[in-house]
Amino acid sequence: QVQLVQSGAEVKKPGSSVKVSCKASGGAISSHGISWVRQAPGQGLEWVGGISPGFGPGMYAQKFQGRVTLSADRSTSTVYVHLSSLTSDDTAVYYCAKEGGATGEFDYWGQGTLVTVSS
Amino acid sequence: QSVLSQPPSASGTPGQRVAISCSGGISNIGSNSVSWYQQLPGSAPKLLIYRNNLRPSGVPDRFSGSKSGTSASLAISGLRSEDEAEYYCAAWDDNLSGSVLFGGGTKLTVL
Repeated sequence: QVQLVQSGAEVKKPGSSVKVSCKASGGAISSHGISWVRQAPGQGLEWVGGISPGFGPGMYAQKFQGRVTLSADRSTSTVYVHLSSLTSDDTAVYYCAKEGGATGEFDYWGQGTLVTVSS
Repeated sequence: QSVLSQPPSASGTPGQRVAISCSGGISNIGSNSVSWYQQLPGSAPKLLIYRNNLRPSGVPDRFSGSKSGTSASLAISGLRSEDEAEYYCAAWDDNLSGSVLFGGGTKLTVL
């Protein structure tokens, strides 16, 4: 059974950066992509970016280009999202999600990490 | 504003059948598979439907999906109180450098 366990809540100042982790266990994690999806308070789901199967290169939503970096540590099966130049609009719950197959659905999700940006 | 359009709300009484629509374009729904997610308050989304009409193990057959052209639909039959949740459609988009698009979400109320 695949499990995605994320790091704890963060409180950040505007202009700073945040790095959230997602540790994967169970199953052939390296064979599937991992994406990050965020949800602002009371709002819908928004794809931030994803890392290719085998912890390859990242792909990013145009909205976040230049401000977000995805990385991975193969030795611990952990994926990271780093978001810089934070504003209050970045306040959201950030989820990591595993791609189920070639059609890109997200079959397993982390528990979510609340990132609050406040002065 | 989401590129995939969903009605903001839907409702039904227990036992009824409800359908939630998701409208997109040629580069997303028209070219790629659609998935559907259920999100209960305070919880992470859960995969309900993938590849347009397939159910993961454990999802009741009351939930079904379909796709035609650039639109997709999620149907829930035999509505139950525990189905009250937010529902999202999603599809990859070929025009946006391989981005994933989500619908704006539909809040389903069981009356």
